[in-house]
Amino acid sequence: GAGVSQSPRYKVAKRGQDVALRCDPISGHVSLFWYQQALGQGPEFLTYFQNEAQLDKSGLPSDRFFAERPEGSVSTLKIQRTQQEDSAVYLCASSGQIYNEQFFGPGTRLTVL
Amino acid sequence: AQSVTQLGSHVSVSEGALVLLRCNYSSSVPPYLFWYVQYPNQGLQLLLKYTTGATLVKGINGFEAEFKKSETSFHLTKPSAHMSDAAEYFCAVNAGGTSYGKLTFGQGTILTVHP
Repeated sequence: GAGVSQSPRYKVAKRGQDVALRCDPISGHVSLFWYQQALGQGPEFLTYFQNEAQLDKSGLPSDRFFAERPEGSVSTLKIQRTQQEDSAVYLCASSGQIYNEQFFGPGTRLTVL
Repeated sequence: AQSVTQLGSHVSVSEGALVLLRCNYSSSVPPYLFWYVQYPNQGLQLLLKYTTGATLVKGINGFEAEFKKSETSFHLTKPSAHMSDAAEYFCAVNAGGTSYGKLTFGQGTILTVHP
């Protein structure tokens, strides 16, 4: 079956531009996570959805970051007025049950010039 | 709060040699522990996990890890390295409770396998 997919795989943005990153989780998965992975670092938690409800956004680095999952399936991570420090790989993961194994997508590599 | 420390950002072994990747964790509650592998330009793939029960956990590709509560460790081992094992490995902890299962990762260990 299909795994977690993310698009685009690569995104280059000029500083100050807005970007939108998409995540298609495994069908039926309740939990959806976004992580940010800076170069040479481990992934860091950004935000969590249970169905359409955003239950934890404690990892979002600033109010320029916004995530949504309006119908409880596809999720979008939006970054407004991008800055160079936003350059990273953004990983999406989904899970069928809380605390269960998370399945990761291939990530979107964002480069801000 | 939980944290993960991976000792050694780079580990190099010869093909056929023992692989040992070290992971120590800190958690205020009984942890769920995971090892993930990441190949270049790919997402993370689960190797193995410890939740409850047997402390020696076997995973895919011949890897295993042992949960040692007294040492707060969860080291990853493989008896004989293969060239295809070359990748970056991440240890992660999920502290349960109200964390909803979010993972805290270590910094990663890059494994190089020499012929």
